Amino acid sequence: EDKVVQSPLSLVVHEGDTVTLNCSYEVTNFRSLLWYKQEKKAPTFLFMLTSSGIEKKSGRLSSILDKKELFSILNITATQTGDSAVYLCAVVNRRGGADGLTFGKGTHLIIQP
Amino acid sequence: ETGVTQTPRHLVMGMTNKKSLKCEQHLGHNAMYWYKQSAKKPLELMFVYNFKEQTENNSVPSRFSPECPNSSHLFLHLHTLQPEDSALYLCASSRASGSFGTQYFGPGTRLTVL
Repeated sequence: EDKVVQSPLSLVVHEGDTVTLNCSYEVTNFRSLLWYKQEKKAPTFLFMLTSSGIEKKSGRLSSILDKKELFSILNITATQTGDSAVYLCAVVNRRGGADGLTFGKGTHLIIQP
Repeated sequence: ETGVTQTPRHLVMGMTNKKSLKCEQHLGHNAMYWYKQSAKKPLELMFVYNFKEQTENNSVPSRFSPECPNSSHLFLHLHTLQPEDSALYLCASSRASGSFGTQYFGPGTRLTVL
């Protein structure tokens, strides 16, 4: 059974701190790993990672994938209260001729002023 | 606003009711998706439609019946639901099926089954 595990499940930090969110996975026929930010309802896309060791960066957010150890991290530096959200990790894999998508439970991040 | 709209935003229904959720996108996308997000459980992909054809059904019970009359509209027909079906139902669309990295999500319908 395909599995995606995120840790921690929740995290409270102060503004200005740096946080690292973890995502590990066990799937067959891996294709890519995705990170989303979910504030109220609709998740918004952050990164798609397909290759090991290549860091993707967008402002204060960055992410990297390790396909050997089967995990990814999402880093947020100089956190702001607007970064408070649930961060979702999802893995795309090939299943029976079509791509499937498995999500982790998410990390609930709270940034305190 | 992502360009994907869902109605209604909130729905309360009894176990014997029949209702439908609607999703609409005018982004020119060809693939549409239904997801279920229950409290304390991961987001689950339910159905995938590509060019109006269903390409994936992730073992969803038959009390959930999707319909895709055209590439811009997607429905989820609900009948004889159970209280454990209470969840946030999210619709998404993308240019092509499997383009999960370029999905646009709607705001969701919060469903409560009494």
